[in-house]
Amino acid sequence: DTEVTQTPKHLVMGMTNKKSLKCEQHMGHRAMYWYKQKAKKPPELMFVYSYEKLSINESVPSRFSPECPNSSLLNLHLHALQPEDSALYLCASSEGSPFYEQYFGPGTRLTVT
Amino acid sequence: AQSVTQLDSQVPVFEEAPVELRCNYSSSVSVYLFWYVQYPNQGLQLLLKYLSGSTLVKGINGFEAEFNKSQTSFHLRKPSVHISDTAEYFCAVSDYTGGFKTIFGAGTRLFVKA
Repeated sequence: DTEVTQTPKHLVMGMTNKKSLKCEQHMGHRAMYWYKQKAKKPPELMFVYSYEKLSINESVPSRFSPECPNSSLLNLHLHALQPEDSALYLCASSEGSPFYEQYFGPGTRLTVT
Repeated sequence: AQSVTQLDSQVPVFEEAPVELRCNYSSSVSVYLFWYVQYPNQGLQLLLKYLSGSTLVKGINGFEAEFNKSQTSFHLRKPSVHISDTAEYFCAVSDYTGGFKTIFGAGTRLFVKA
C-alpha cells in the first residue's frame, strides 16, 4: 500500500470556525509533512514530524496547529483562519530522512470565507 | 542553503515530439534530486530520483533525467510526449544540511498539443 489518504477533499469554513484536516499512511514511514500550495505555485513546507515529534515548523501562524497522534496519522487543526489561507493543503510521508522520496496525498482544497 | 531554479515556466510541445524540462540547483554539499509531476487537482507523484550512482536516471512514464555535477543541472527528458503528459512538473532538491526539508522549484507547465 503506497497510498497517503487525506480527508476531507474539500472544506469551506468561515473565519470563526474550527476544523481539522486528516492524513493517514500505512507504509511504515516515520516522517510526515504538511504543505500549503497556492494556485500555480510549488508546495510550501509548513511542518515536519519525524518519529512523531515536530522537527520543523516553518514559522507558520498559530492559527494552524499540527498534531501527530501516532506514526500513521497526522492532523492539522485550523482556527480563526483568514481568506488568504485558502489553498490546497497537501500531506506527504517519507521513509525517515530527506534522502528518500515523499509520497503525497491528493490534498484538501480549503476555502475560507 | 540549497536552491532550485526551473528555467522555463511553460513548455508547449506537439504530441510525439521530444521535450526537455530544465532544472539547475545550488548546494554546497552532496545533493539528492527529484522530479515530481502534478496533474490537475491532484497531489504530487514522484517521476524519478537521483541519490547516487549512474548519472542517467530512468523513471516512470518514459521519462529520464541526467545529473550533471559540473553544470549543477538535472534536466528531465522524454523522447516522445503524449497528450496525457500535460501537467505541472517540479524539480526538487534535498541535502543533509536542510534536515527533513526538500526545496521545490517554481514548476514548469508542460502543455502537449495535438
